Amino acid sequence: EDKVVQSPLSLVVHEGDTVTLNCSYEVTNFRSLLWYKQEKKAPTFLFMLTSSGIEKKSGRLSSILDKKELFSILNITATQTGDSAVYLCAGGDAGKSTFGDGTTLTVKP
Amino acid sequence: DSGVTQTPKHLITATGQRVTLRCSPRSGDLSVYWYQQSLDQGLQFLIQYYNGEERAKGNILERFSAQQFPDLHSELNLSSLELGDSALYFCASSVAREETQYFGPGTRLLVL
Repeated sequence: EDKVVQSPLSLVVHEGDTVTLNCSYEVTNFRSLLWYKQEKKAPTFLFMLTSSGIEKKSGRLSSILDKKELFSILNITATQTGDSAVYLCAGGDAGKSTFGDGTTLTVKP
Repeated sequence: DSGVTQTPKHLITATGQRVTLRCSPRSGDLSVYWYQQSLDQGLQFLIQYYNGEERAKGNILERFSAQQFPDLHSELNLSSLELGDSALYFCASSVAREETQYFGPGTRLLVL
């Protein structure tokens, strides 16, 4: 059975801190690893990773995939209160993604 | 705003009833996905359609069915509803099968 595990389950930091969120996966027919941010509404897309070792960046967020170790990380630098959300990762082909339980990030002022 | 629309926003119904949730994908997107998000189970993939055909099936109950119409909108039918079906149901769409998915705002279903 496909499995995606995220850690930590929750994290509380102060504004300006840097955080690293982890995602490990065991997915047959793996094609991509996706990261989403979910506030009190629908998930919004952050990154799609298909190749190992290539970092993707968007502002203060970055992510990288290790297909050998079946692992991905999401980094957020200089955190802001607006970064508070649940961060979800999903593995698999886009038709049958398996989601992790998410990491709840709380950024305090 | 992702461009994916879902109706209704909220739905309250009774056990044993049947409901239909509707999704309109982003313009140009051929793939539609349905997900269920409940408090105790996280986000669960239900089913995917591509250009009118079923392409992938996840943890979808036999009481649930879906279809995608020629205009590419999709409907998720939930029948013989149980209390445990109360959840947020998301629809997502993508251009093709292995592209980024964009989520709609969801339909919150409450079964009493």
